[in-house]
Amino acid sequence: DGGITQSPKYLFRKEGQNVTLSCEQNLNHDAMYWYRQDPGQGLRLIYYSQIVNDFQKGDIAEGYSVSREKKESFPLTVTSAQKNPTAFYLCASSLTGDSYEQYFGPGTRLTVT
Amino acid sequence: DAKTTQPPSMDCAEGRAANLPCNHSTISGNEYVYWYRQIHSQGPQYIIHGLKNNETNEMASLIITEDRKSSTLILPHATLRDTAVYYCIARYNQGGKLIFGQGTELSVKP
Repeated sequence: DGGITQSPKYLFRKEGQNVTLSCEQNLNHDAMYWYRQDPGQGLRLIYYSQIVNDFQKGDIAEGYSVSREKKESFPLTVTSAQKNPTAFYLCASSLTGDSYEQYFGPGTRLTVT
Repeated sequence: DAKTTQPPSMDCAEGRAANLPCNHSTISGNEYVYWYRQIHSQGPQYIIHGLKNNETNEMASLIITEDRKSSTLILPHATLRDTAVYYCIARYNQGGKLIFGQGTELSVKP
């Protein structure tokens, strides 16, 4: 059963702690993306990766870090430097090249108190 | 990427066609129009996309005006499960980000 998995669905952390969100895909997609969504808002891009061992900052990369050591995996670390980390985090993947849509995972809702 | 404008909310009766408009007056010649929808607390779901020609798939139809400044997503027979936020995105199709606006909240009512 192909798709994108994100775990866990809900995550709670104390302020000042780093936390890593998991994203795995078995669609054989080269490109992977991380978005953040705040209540009542659209999605904003945090980081994206077009190929293994390479990634680029999106619009709101400050306070986040990523790695892309394997094609299937693109974990996101929310660091203590991120001022407002509480949000809904969505991972997506796609083929690269013309006319390919992005497929999204179910999301992780992070709450930091 | 071109900016898109959508109405914030719309209602539709179950079984009727839902027509969701989108303005993208600054779209460039090589930017595609994509439609996604998001049911509450889930990841967005791809619906359809097109460049110039009208497109149809098992979920919906996409009508793009000849000048490409606007488009309409048509759900031919809306069901209660089509209640969601629908996003229209104009995107240069070379491996890039999707810029999500506020979208249209569609409520399908019995």
